[in-house]
Amino acid sequence: AQSVAQPEDQVNVAEGNPLTVKCTYSVSGNPYLFWYVQYPNRGLQFLLKYITGDNLVKGSYGFEAEFNKSQTSFHLKKPSALVSDSALYFCAVREGTGANNLFFGTGTRLTVIP
Amino acid sequence: KAGVTQTPRYLIKTRGQQVTLSCSPISGHRSVSWYQQTPGQGLQFLFEYFSETQRNKGNFPGRFSGRQFSNSRSEMNVSTLELGDSALYLCASSLVGGAGEKLFFGSGTQLSVL
Repeated sequence: AQSVAQPEDQVNVAEGNPLTVKCTYSVSGNPYLFWYVQYPNRGLQFLLKYITGDNLVKGSYGFEAEFNKSQTSFHLKKPSALVSDSALYFCAVREGTGANNLFFGTGTRLTVIP
Repeated sequence: KAGVTQTPRYLIKTRGQQVTLSCSPISGHRSVSWYQQTPGQGLQFLFEYFSETQRNKGNFPGRFSGRQFSNSRSEMNVSTLELGDSALYLCASSLVGGAGEKLFFGSGTQLSVL
């Protein structure tokens, strides 16, 4: 069975500071890992994904994430936060079986304080 | 290229009624997935359709059903509505539903059951 944990419901960071949104996962096989962002009254938007290869993945809007197999983590990071980054962030995992069942974490609300 | 379109945007129904939600995927996308989003349960997978066939199903009662048409458009139906069915229903599409593919989400249908 697959699962995703986002241990923080809320993350607050000052504008210009680095931000980290944490995610750990559990799958039976090789993980396919994703980050999505949701703005108010909108659907989810894709930020980045890890399939294989380099453990550091770069995505949209200056976000990046580091895959750590030994810690089963896939934390989302950004060097300098913007007020416009304030949103709900979801980590998701899919087992590499071809099934399209993407399993989401419970989400972390990021607030960037001006 | 038009994004994923979901209609209607908002729905208000009463208990016991049934409802049909519609989703038009991005042109050329053949896989359509449906998710239910609630504050308490987060994002939960309902089902996935590919080439008019249900390929994967989440853990929801039989009151929740769906279908896909030859043009890849999809509908989901909820019969005998319950208060707990109030949620944001999100549709997502991808090319073929491969494990490494990102999902493109619509803005959702907000269903309120009174």
